[in-house]
Amino acid sequence: QKEVEQNSGPLSVPEGAIASLNCTYSDRGSQSFFWYRQYSGKSPELIMSIYSNGDKEDGRFTAQLNKASQYVSLLIRDSQPSDSATYLCAVYQKVTFGIGRKLQVIP
Amino acid sequence: DTEVTQTPKHLVMGMTNKKSLKCEQHMGHRAMYWYKQKAKKPPELMFVYSYEKLSINESVPSRFSPECPNSSLLNLHLHALQPEDSALYLCASSQEGGNTEAFFGQGTRLTVV
Repeated sequence: QKEVEQNSGPLSVPEGAIASLNCTYSDRGSQSFFWYRQYSGKSPELIMSIYSNGDKEDGRFTAQLNKASQYVSLLIRDSQPSDSATYLCAVYQKVTFGIGRKLQVIP
Repeated sequence: DTEVTQTPKHLVMGMTNKKSLKCEQHMGHRAMYWYKQKAKKPPELMFVYSYEKLSINESVPSRFSPECPNSSLLNLHLHALQPEDSALYLCASSQEGGNTEAFFGQGTRLTVV
């Protein structure tokens, strides 16, 4: 079992819709969870961090963490074409990234 | 300021060359990382330095040699690389190791010919 599992197939959503990205992890000792956005040819950019169970909102972004079920998710409300990128979840005990999921927002 | 600076941005080197990648941060972070990223793959951890000491080496071949001269600088020395080592090399730093937010530099695009 991979340490961090993330759906790898591309996700297409219409402009203005909610995009939902999910990640599961195997190490129950993991304490910190991060979502990065990576535009093609660029480096990852941190967009959300979450450390405790529940929701954390920042603008159009909401991170959700459920340690009992070992999953972390990212919701992007009112998706914009500029949100089109690959989204990577990162789980820290040992700095491991999920495979990333490419989001395309269709105008 | 969440800036991590990497130089050079692009590097082409032959298999017999020796070159170095440099990374610098002035955020007072005490952990620094090297990642390797191939196209359409996530970043893959190579090394972690914590308080200027190597804390994680992910079984990286010895042709890659990290160095942390001080808390602000991180180098990656390259020698006798193979074409399959061509990738984007990313440096990151965080306040502490492991459980704190890591910020990435813009990367060095390395091509081995």
